[in-house]
Amino acid sequence: GQQVMQIPQYQHVQEGEDFTTYCNSSTTLSNIQWYKQRPGGHPVFLIQLVKSGEVKKQKRLTFQFGEAKKNSSLHITATQTTDVGTYFCEDSGGYQKVTFGTGTKLQVIP
Amino acid sequence: DAGVTQSPTHLIKTRGQHVTLRCSPISGHKSVSWYQQVLGQGPQFIFQYYEKEERGRGNFPDRFSARQFPNYSSELNVNALLLGDSALYLCASSPGLAGRIRDTQYFGPGTRLTVL
Repeated sequence: GQQVMQIPQYQHVQEGEDFTTYCNSSTTLSNIQWYKQRPGGHPVFLIQLVKSGEVKKQKRLTFQFGEAKKNSSLHITATQTTDVGTYFCEDSGGYQKVTFGTGTKLQVIP
Repeated sequence: DAGVTQSPTHLIKTRGQHVTLRCSPISGHKSVSWYQQVLGQGPQFIFQYYEKEERGRGNFPDRFSARQFPNYSSELNVNALLLGDSALYLCASSPGLAGRIRDTQYFGPGTRLTVL
């Protein structure tokens, strides 16, 4: 079956540094959703990417969908302590195919 | 407006028992999905229901079942509990049926199930 891997698994950064997590699939991705889950919390929807090569920005967050639709990335510029959490990508090719990535846990050191 | 609500928040059961978890979606949302999240891992898709019908099923054994009621709330049932069923069970609601373009999902706070 499809595997959606995220790298790195963990990332510690100094506050103010940039952070990037990559989402890679063994098969072509359909649509990509990105979520943030704070420690002890539940996933919160951030963005959806649909088109090949699509780039979307939300303040300090930049999301990108690969040209071949086999990978995606989330980049955070100038991290803040409020960015702490685990970031998940999710591929959903319709209701029969829903796969979450393995997640990247971000720790920001003040 | 209230978000997705789930009950109970925490539950402790012993092996072999049965458990029922409940979810109320956001008002106006017709689709509910269930996920299992083991500590340190990403959510695993269990079921999606839309208009009271099962529309999607993940790779879980038949011990797992669910249903959706006319008011769009949903129950997840797990029979013959195993230690490995210990996890956070998340419910997510969305406005409609996920087609080619995925509806935005809104997750509830989850039910933390511990099986002893």
